[in-house]
Amino acid sequence: DAMVIQNPRYQVTQFGKPVTLSCSQTLNHNVMYWYQQKSSQAPKLLFHYYDKDFNNEADTPDNFQSRRPNTSFCFLDIRSPGLGDAAMYLCATSRERLGQPQHFGDGTRLSIL
Amino acid sequence: AQSVSQHNHHVILSEAASLELGCNYSYGGTVNLFWYVQYPGQHLQLLLKYFSGDPLVKGIKGFEAEFIKSKFSFNLRKPSVQWSDTAEYFCAVNANYGQNFVFGPGTRLSVLP
Repeated sequence: DAMVIQNPRYQVTQFGKPVTLSCSQTLNHNVMYWYQQKSSQAPKLLFHYYDKDFNNEADTPDNFQSRRPNTSFCFLDIRSPGLGDAAMYLCATSRERLGQPQHFGDGTRLSIL
Repeated sequence: AQSVSQHNHHVILSEAASLELGCNYSYGGTVNLFWYVQYPGQHLQLLLKYFSGDPLVKGIKGFEAEFIKSKFSFNLRKPSVQWSDTAEYFCAVNANYGQNFVFGPGTRLSVLP
């Protein structure tokens, strides 16, 4: 059974039109992460939540925001997508931040028209 | 800041050949080490992990990795690869003092039937 679920698998949006990507988990993990992965590159961490505590990476553009309304759900909001934001977006969870493997969802591939 | 390097961008092998993928990290303290695999069109899956103890760790699908602290390395090995091992392989490091994973750039493995 899928434990980290991302919806949708594929998302197409227009340049500048806000878009929201969804992630849910059945693992009851404390930590939820959002990564951006471009073709043939390593996943790049955008931010993570430890419970309700939001932690932004220093180089994450302001265009990217996140919400975690409860333990199970986490959202990635892109306020004004540019062409350079086309990528695979990965959600992951872990029980704790240190010393724990991360469990990944299938990802959402975002295309910008 | 911690960094992770992987020696090869693309490795091409024939079936039954032996595999070794290199991974080196820059952090000098206590680390947790991981190898993830990403099959075409699928999510990242954990192959194996090292936290402490025996530096030779065994993972799923016949993979193993050896942690050599003096060399800051965590190389992935498999004695005999199969066509189904064709995938992207990512090494990741999580330092005990820090909060986040750092992924290496990945190595694409192509196994020829």
